[in-house]
Amino acid sequence: QVQLQESGPGLVKPSQTLSLTCTVSGGSISSGSYYWSWIRQPAGKGLEWIGRIYTSGSTNYNPSLKSRVTISVDTSKNQFSLKLSSVTAADTAVYYCARGVEAAIDYWGQGTLVTVSS
Amino acid sequence: QPVLTQSSSASASLGSSVKLTCTLSSGHSSYIIAWHQQQPGKAPRYLMKLEGSGSYNKGSGVPDRFSGSSSGADRYLTISNLQSEDEADYYCETWDSNTQVFGGGTKLTVL
Repeated sequence: QVQLQESGPGLVKPSQTLSLTCTVSGGSISSGSYYWSWIRQPAGKGLEWIGRIYTSGSTNYNPSLKSRVTISVDTSKNQFSLKLSSVTAADTAVYYCARGVEAAIDYWGQGTLVTVSS
Repeated sequence: QPVLTQSSSASASLGSSVKLTCTLSSGHSSYIIAWHQQQPGKAPRYLMKLEGSGSYNKGSGVPDRFSGSSSGADRYLTISNLQSEDEADYYCETWDSNTQVFGGGTKLTVL
């Protein structure tokens, strides 16, 4: 069974870069026709898709965040990562990593809270 | 890009059935969607993938009480024999070559 685990700082200062890593276990990140996504959820609000990366390395990003987002993959470590630059308080949220296949996310990480504050 | 519309809330009694709706925007009525459940304080959980034909494929361990159906641009999630643990937020999701989209979610209250 595939498991995903987010890791990274829980507190980031305004204007700095938020960096998170998702470690995948129970399967190879480079096998199959999967894509690997980041989604976030501000407290009390709905889910917002941030972006995704395919094992080929191609990426798609939410147009509203595209100028600030970079998603990358490290197949040797079975990990993929998120960088979100120039953060503000509006970026405070629980960040989830997830796996997708054939038009649907089918596995989620447990989520990690990132707070943007000085 | 597709847009998904969900009612903000729904309620039903313990042991009864409820049908939640997710509506695809114009021009996207053939899209496959997925349903996800988010219990309070927990991460979302994948429930099923649902096609426009009404065919659905559930995730591992999803109870038989959960089923899906479709009509035109509408995608439905039906929960039978409601249990207290079904009280949760339910999100639909869809995908195309450039983007991924979530509906606003439906908060289900079990009375």
